[in-house]
Amino acid sequence: NAGVMQNPRHLVRRRGQEARLRCSPMKGHSHVYWYRQLPEEGLKFMVYLQKENIIDESGMPKERFSAEFPKEGPSILRIQQVVRGDSAAYFCASSTSEGGRAFFGQGTRLTVV
Amino acid sequence: AQKVTQAQTEISVVEKEDVTLDCVYETRDTTYYLFWYKQPPSGELVFLIRRNSFDEQNEISGRYSWNFQKSTSSFNFTITASQVVDSAVYFCALSEALRGGATNKLIFGTGTLLAVQP
Repeated sequence: NAGVMQNPRHLVRRRGQEARLRCSPMKGHSHVYWYRQLPEEGLKFMVYLQKENIIDESGMPKERFSAEFPKEGPSILRIQQVVRGDSAAYFCASSTSEGGRAFFGQGTRLTVV
Repeated sequence: AQKVTQAQTEISVVEKEDVTLDCVYETRDTTYYLFWYKQPPSGELVFLIRRNSFDEQNEISGRYSWNFQKSTSSFNFTITASQVVDSAVYFCALSEALRGGATNKLIFGTGTLLAVQP
């Protein structure tokens, strides 16, 4: 059973471009969480999704950021018109249920130049 | 509001020393989980432990042990006989409740950088 897969592992974007980060949860997991880790900081919750539903997006910046978890396929975190301050490591985690233990992916390191 | 405080920003020890990483939390939830994660220089998050708020028993796993004290809202982590491979950033985290139950919406502390010198 493969773990949580995130791709790409490293992503470089120029200011103003779009970044798309993918997260394939573990088999059988229907709950996905996205976290952001800014340089030298701890992880901050961004959004919690179940299949086709956003349950809690209280940590998402109001503009430029969106997330989805379609019925088929990976969860996508999209950042439009990236700025240097978006440079960070983005982690996703998945679980079988709301209270079940979540497993983290290895993260995507986004660098905006 | 929920909060996790890791007051130790950096700790440096010499190999074979014991070291304790402190974690203090604040929550109004009655059901919650507490976690410790290790983040080595390679950057991934390594799960170490998840503890239910109703289980105050201390836990030992090899050289690692955890002391959970609800009375002081603390969940401290001790590494016995530290090794160079233990060098990493260690994060303590607390789950938030949603719809009455604990979830994986975690609040992380700012981390403690542990450097174990040979």
